[in-house]
Amino acid sequence: NAGVTQTPKFRILKIGQSMTLQCAQDMNHNYMYWYRQDPGMGLKLIYYSVGAGITDKGEVPNGYNVSRSTTEDFPLRLELAAPSQTSVYFCASSVENEQFFGPGTRLTVL
Amino acid sequence: DQQVKQNSPSLSVQEGRISILNCDYTNSMFDYFLWYKKYPAEGPTFLISISSIKDKNEDGRFTVFLNKSAKHLSLHIVPSQPGDSAVYFCAARGYHGSSNTGKLIFGQGTTLQVKP
Repeated sequence: NAGVTQTPKFRILKIGQSMTLQCAQDMNHNYMYWYRQDPGMGLKLIYYSVGAGITDKGEVPNGYNVSRSTTEDFPLRLELAAPSQTSVYFCASSVENEQFFGPGTRLTVL
Repeated sequence: DQQVKQNSPSLSVQEGRISILNCDYTNSMFDYFLWYKKYPAEGPTFLISISSIKDKNEDGRFTVFLNKSAKHLSLHIVPSQPGDSAVYFCAARGYHGSSNTGKLIFGQGTTLQVKP
């Protein structure tokens, strides 16, 4: 099992550009999550999904969108990148209490 | 409003000694608590957890203690090893009505350095 995979590992965007962060899991987990981590801060939940076709907002959803068309994939879309979105983004999946995290995507918006 | 707080940004201990990482929470509806460990350039990995119906859970060198009346939990690592040097996050889960979405609320993290 590859677990939770994320692409790309690094990305630099210009203000106003858009991009999609990819996340996939091969553990057949129903629940998936997107977090961002800013320096010196904990992980903040952006969006989550309890199954294919079902998504909901977390703590900090503004500026992001998600979709969940399959159990395996949970992409995160940034439509108009802003410097405040410079962060490390983690995707996670879970079936019970424990969440399994991907390696992260480091995004810089200049 | 920070519902889960780790008030110590960093901790330094000598190899072989005990490391104690602390975490406070404000929401009495949290029913499950977890500790995650994170190395640089990697995602967090699960370390140990505890249900709110227990006050202690042990796994090898790692023990988590829960004091519900004080809304406080702690992670003890004995003996500490240099490989334990990482950022440790505590996290809490709460039910929303009758549904469990598995959502976690994380503390800010504590950087542990274990010196050889």
